[in-house]
Amino acid sequence: GAGVSQSPSNKVTEKGKDVELRCDPISGHTALYWYRQSLGQGLEFLIYFQGNSAPDKSGLPSDRFSAERTGGSVSTLTIQRTQQEDSAVYLCASSLGSDPSIQYFGAGTRLSVL
Amino acid sequence: SQKIEQNSEALNIQEGKTATLTCNYTNYSPAYLQWYRQDPGRGPVFLLLIRENEKEKRKERLKVTFDTTLKQSLFHITASQPADSATYLCALFSGGYNKLIFGAGTRLAVHP
Repeated sequence: GAGVSQSPSNKVTEKGKDVELRCDPISGHTALYWYRQSLGQGLEFLIYFQGNSAPDKSGLPSDRFSAERTGGSVSTLTIQRTQQEDSAVYLCASSLGSDPSIQYFGAGTRLSVL
Repeated sequence: SQKIEQNSEALNIQEGKTATLTCNYTNYSPAYLQWYRQDPGRGPVFLLLIRENEKEKRKERLKVTFDTTLKQSLFHITASQPADSATYLCALFSGGYNKLIFGAGTRLAVHP
């Protein structure tokens, strides 16, 4: 498919474990974004990549959260020592990176921390 | 402080009527504003973009207005259908932040 792909679609983990969430953006999209959406809430910005660099990490909630992007394509969001408050849907979006930035979203990963 | 506000309560309307959703913002000077639709279990889908120098934009049954003086955007769906039921998110791009800032969304329910 030509859309943004995220995996896994659902992840259940125990408190204290590390998790990795993956995002495959649309081919050719230079910009990639991670958001978090809690139940009934709006999108909370986490981090933005332009190519492989992250000029804006301002939304990462704590140092337990990190993300990387390799080859200007796939990105991984890692949450270390997960806490129950990390439970949410994690959404990835990509865009051409040009102005205006229309973003194309994946279906998200639903993370449940028990 | 900076805020984007959308009606937190669900909007219920009858099929065939016009739905109007509101997005208000404070302490931003957005270059443009976007509207997205989100269905349960899905990611948001882009609908329309309007720039700061545009007053109105249309696409089929959708219309967006942008009033930079009032700091408000209105999103209209005419001849609404049950299939239009979803959550609608506004997002603004503020060059100083180089990213989209999303509102919390308004849930629209169109009843037959």
